[in-house]
Amino acid sequence: DAGVIQSPRHEVTEMGQEVTLRCKPISGHNSLFWYRQTMMRGLELLIYFNNNVPIDDSGMPEDRFSAKMPNASFSTLKIQPSEPRDSAVYFCASSFEASPLHFGNGTRLTVT
Amino acid sequence: GDSVTQMEGPVTLSEEAFLTINCTYTATGYPSLFWYVQYPGEGLQLLLKATKADDKGSNKGFEATYRKETTSFHLEKGSVQVSDSAVYFCALSDGQGGSEKLVFGKGMKLTVNP
Repeated sequence: DAGVIQSPRHEVTEMGQEVTLRCKPISGHNSLFWYRQTMMRGLELLIYFNNNVPIDDSGMPEDRFSAKMPNASFSTLKIQPSEPRDSAVYFCASSFEASPLHFGNGTRLTVT
Repeated sequence: GDSVTQMEGPVTLSEEAFLTINCTYTATGYPSLFWYVQYPGEGLQLLLKATKADDKGSNKGFEATYRKETTSFHLEKGSVQVSDSAVYFCALSDGQGGSEKLVFGKGMKLTVNP
């Protein structure tokens, strides 16, 4: 089991650019979560999907953020346009039914 | 809404010291409670969990007991090791919809010195 795979591990971009973060959940898991981690606010749930359908996106900060899950094995989180305050570590996690979450190693995003 | 409050640290201990990390929660209903650990450069890993009142979760020498009367889930270890240096997160799940939608505390960084 390869675990949850996120790419890239690090992303440095300039303000105004589009950023796309990618996640491959564990095979067979039917729930997928995107979290953002910052020193100030800790871990925040941005959005989660169940069976590829977005269930709760109330944590998405604003319209610049969007997330998709076109199939059970892939999800993206897009920020357009990016801003310096978006700098954070973004985690993807997956689970099956009521099992505990499995996290990826995260993408560290720096927006200059 | 649901929330978790935990000691934020950072905390530095010597090897073999006793560790307690306090965690209290606010929730409607009967949440499940978790401790996750994050090692440098990695994602969070489940350390232990408890799903109902008076349950004790344990793993790798760590323990935590679900106390409904005090709405607490304090993490303890009798003798810490250098390898326990990490960030520890307390979390709860409302368990709605069959998914583990977790609410996390802010995390506490622990450094254990030899």
